Amino acid sequence: DTAVSQTPKYLVTQMGNDKSIKCEQNLGHDTMYWYKQDSKKFLKIMFSYNNKELIINETVPNRFSPKSPDKAHLNLHINSLELGDSAVYFCASSQGQGPQWPQHFGDGTRLSIL
Amino acid sequence: SQQGEEDPQALSIQEGENATMNCSYKTSINNLQWYRQNSGRGLVHLILIRSNEREKHSGRLRVTLDTSKKSSSLLITASRAADTASYFCATDAGSGAGSYQLTFGKGTKLSVIP
Repeated sequence: DTAVSQTPKYLVTQMGNDKSIKCEQNLGHDTMYWYKQDSKKFLKIMFSYNNKELIINETVPNRFSPKSPDKAHLNLHINSLELGDSAVYFCASSQGQGPQWPQHFGDGTRLSIL
Repeated sequence: SQQGEEDPQALSIQEGENATMNCSYKTSINNLQWYRQNSGRGLVHLILIRSNEREKHSGRLRVTLDTSKKSSSLLITASRAADTASYFCATDAGSGAGSYQLTFGKGTKLSVIP
């Protein structure tokens, strides 16, 4: 009965590969997010979707493409992986759109590029 | 750009003592949130305080907000070993650009020694 679940938990791959991370929330929330947390624990927003529509698209390389097939799912596809993509990627959701809503986070996907 | 900044970066205390963490931010805000992150896990929402509130309590947590000083503090009373985690503040950007997103600080790493 996990609220926000991400798969896989760990992802180790070679530079240049393409990979996807999946996220699902069973909270009935309207808004979902992708964050990147670097080795210094700095958490930065990448994307946000509200009811399957993109509302936040920060300065992220276009190798990163989010996809929301329905409001309970927000997947992240990454093309041509680079060493600098190594980080922990967190999916989150909130009941509504905007920073006044508490966010619920998944446990992260640790991506390591060899 | 980073909005909130926590202080200290790391804090080590004995079980039973109180722990105080501070957050300073740069621009006016509508609300401020505190989150906890246990090692290897996602962030967990602790408390939200609005710009017109000065203090808020939740169990052993007490949050204060001083908008004139652009700062907030999180006090954990009677700390327990289970409180060992990183603590983050997150702010919106008031009514300015980026006001639809939360911006997180780098966190305070709290260690509670049994």
